[in-house]
Amino acid sequence: DTEVTQTPKHLVMGMTNKKSLKCEQHMGHRAMYWYKQKAKKPPELMFVYSYEKLSINESVPSRFSPECPNSSLLNLHLHALQPEDSALYLCASSWGQGNQPQHFGDGTRLSIL
Amino acid sequence: AQKVTQAQTEISVVEKEDVTLDCVYETRDTTYYLFWYKQPPSGELVFLIRRNSFDEQNEISGRYSWNFQKSTSSFNFTITASQVVDSAVYFCALSEIDNNAGNMLTFGGGTRLMVKP
Repeated sequence: DTEVTQTPKHLVMGMTNKKSLKCEQHMGHRAMYWYKQKAKKPPELMFVYSYEKLSINESVPSRFSPECPNSSLLNLHLHALQPEDSALYLCASSWGQGNQPQHFGDGTRLSIL
Repeated sequence: AQKVTQAQTEISVVEKEDVTLDCVYETRDTTYYLFWYKQPPSGELVFLIRRNSFDEQNEISGRYSWNFQKSTSSFNFTITASQVVDSAVYFCALSEIDNNAGNMLTFGGGTRLMVKP
């Protein structure tokens, strides 16, 4: 079982809906990440939170809004998404240093109608 | 800029064959870290191994072994006596940042391994 838990596992939404993806880890990690992964492609980094503060935003459109309520939780709020945003969204956590591996959740498979 | 290349997009083998997945990287830093991840169809990326740039020892873990050669900027992964459960996409990744702001991974394109019974 993964130590990073993501909910929901699947999400179908219309372009006018508002939804949120949730991620939780209890390993005491200080950095948390959101990735987007399209089919047959590697994960693409979207956001990094370090010590609950946004440290990296990879020029992600504002229709994606991250939030880190505490050191164990990471949310991704979705609004007015486009069909091309359909993808697997992966959450990860790590201790933060460059030599520390990131631990990934199972992901949320998002489909935009 | 850093870059990771996995030239093999798909490999198909028959069970019990040995298979090597290639990974070549580019970086200007002298200190960096290399990782291999496995992504089964379920979606989760599973961490397999980390290697520091200053440690060129090869490593073996059961049927898995890794060959790190700094002179050729390669970090290849070999599975001995492959099994159907090894079928997955394998990613090689490079990390350069060593601070507490979170480490950014540069992923290779991935190699899809199919092991047939």
